[in-house]
Amino acid sequence: ETGVTQTPRHLVMGMTNKKSLKCEQHLGHNAMYWYKQSAKKPLELMFVYNFKEQTENNSVPSRFSPECPNSSHLFLHLHTLQPEDSALYLCASSQVITDGNYYEQYFGPGTRLTVT
Amino acid sequence: TQLLEQSPQFLSIQEGENLTVYCNSSSVFSSLQWYRQEPGEGPVLLVTVVTGGEVKKLKRLTFQFGDARKDSSLHITAAQPGDTGLYLCAGYGNQFYFGTGTSLTVIP
Repeated sequence: ETGVTQTPRHLVMGMTNKKSLKCEQHLGHNAMYWYKQSAKKPLELMFVYNFKEQTENNSVPSRFSPECPNSSHLFLHLHTLQPEDSALYLCASSQVITDGNYYEQYFGPGTRLTVT
Repeated sequence: TQLLEQSPQFLSIQEGENLTVYCNSSSVFSSLQWYRQEPGEGPVLLVTVVTGGEVKKLKRLTFQFGDARKDSSLHITAAQPGDTGLYLCAGYGNQFYFGTGTSLTVIP
């Protein structure tokens, strides 16, 4: 399944580095999401973009900065991260159905981030 | 917070056995999804249920949405090693809420 791709798959960065995660969806969807998955914790929703507009920011620290230039691409810019930010970062996309009440999310393979 | 509790948290069974995983909440969801995730990969969507009481079958997997749309179950018949993985439920209210996950290991 290559509907949602993420790069890089693995990233090791120091606390003073600046890096970016990239996500691209090939499903024609109009909403994209960033999630954080840490060990022994449920998936945490970080950001939601509907039609390129950010509609959700779940109290994410400012060291994480999302960017959505169009409905197919989503970035997560990282700077001055902390070791506790080490996790699997997952991107997802879905089609927003304005008249319906359910959405299906399709996930990318994730970026395994390690902050040293 | 619309918390989804999954049980059991861990499950290790022999190949050929049957099992049921539960996903419970005190909140009502307009839809509920089940995903399977393998180590180092993203969750893969298995099914979406929308109507209370709905039952969907996917080969050896049977999914049921509770009548009140607050809970769901996943039943696997004759489990195989390829079923090994982390099973996640996710309910949609005003946003997606993910369950705590059930880690399944099927021993050959």
